[in-house]
Amino acid sequence: ETGVTQTPRHLVMGMTNKKSLKCEQHLGHNAMYWYKQSAKKPLELMFVYNFKEQTENNSVPSRFSPECPNSSHLFLHLHTLQPEDSALYLCASSPQRNQPQHFGDGTRLSIL
Amino acid sequence: GQNIDQPTEMTATEGAIVQINCTYQTSGFNGLFWYQQHAGEAPTFLSYNVLDGLEEKGRFSSFLSRSKGYSYLLLKELQMKDSASYLCAVRDRANTGFQKLVFGTGTRLLVSP
Repeated sequence: ETGVTQTPRHLVMGMTNKKSLKCEQHLGHNAMYWYKQSAKKPLELMFVYNFKEQTENNSVPSRFSPECPNSSHLFLHLHTLQPEDSALYLCASSPQRNQPQHFGDGTRLSIL
Repeated sequence: GQNIDQPTEMTATEGAIVQINCTYQTSGFNGLFWYQQHAGEAPTFLSYNVLDGLEEKGRFSSFLSRSKGYSYLLLKELQMKDSASYLCAVRDRANTGFQKLVFGTGTRLLVSP
């Protein structure tokens, strides 16, 4: 139990569907992150929110839309995805300064 | 550009010692993290180095040389449960409030009996 919960754990969707990934942290952290993890590739940072404000968007396609309603919750809205978007999507949170990020178990996304 | 290099895969025997190397070339440096990730699970924090030298935590130690852009993770008295991927990540700038980490591809360690 890392204190960061992601739902669903697995998601299969067609290219025209709309779905959302959810992340919740109970650690009182101020920053939350979305990462993409593909086979044989490094973890890719997608978005960062600090105190609910988006501070980083790493040139992510607009078919991925993040939302952070408060410091404990983070969503990733998905729309018109491509097969290459199939991957493990990890959420993480961290307190300020040099403390480590805490990761959720991820959502395994498959695009048909 | 940002570049973190780690070996793709390593094998070792139960009870042995293994060293996983990581070299980095990043635009800045404000600390290096090691994470462990078992298949299908969340990465979990192992160690953090920001100054040169060795940090020891039980069976795991991590070393950093900033002048060489080099770190290693040392695992002693290997156990079967240590079979996992080990991720090296560099914090490339000193943001306040959040971290921007650049990750390597990870090293998959297989421990055999």
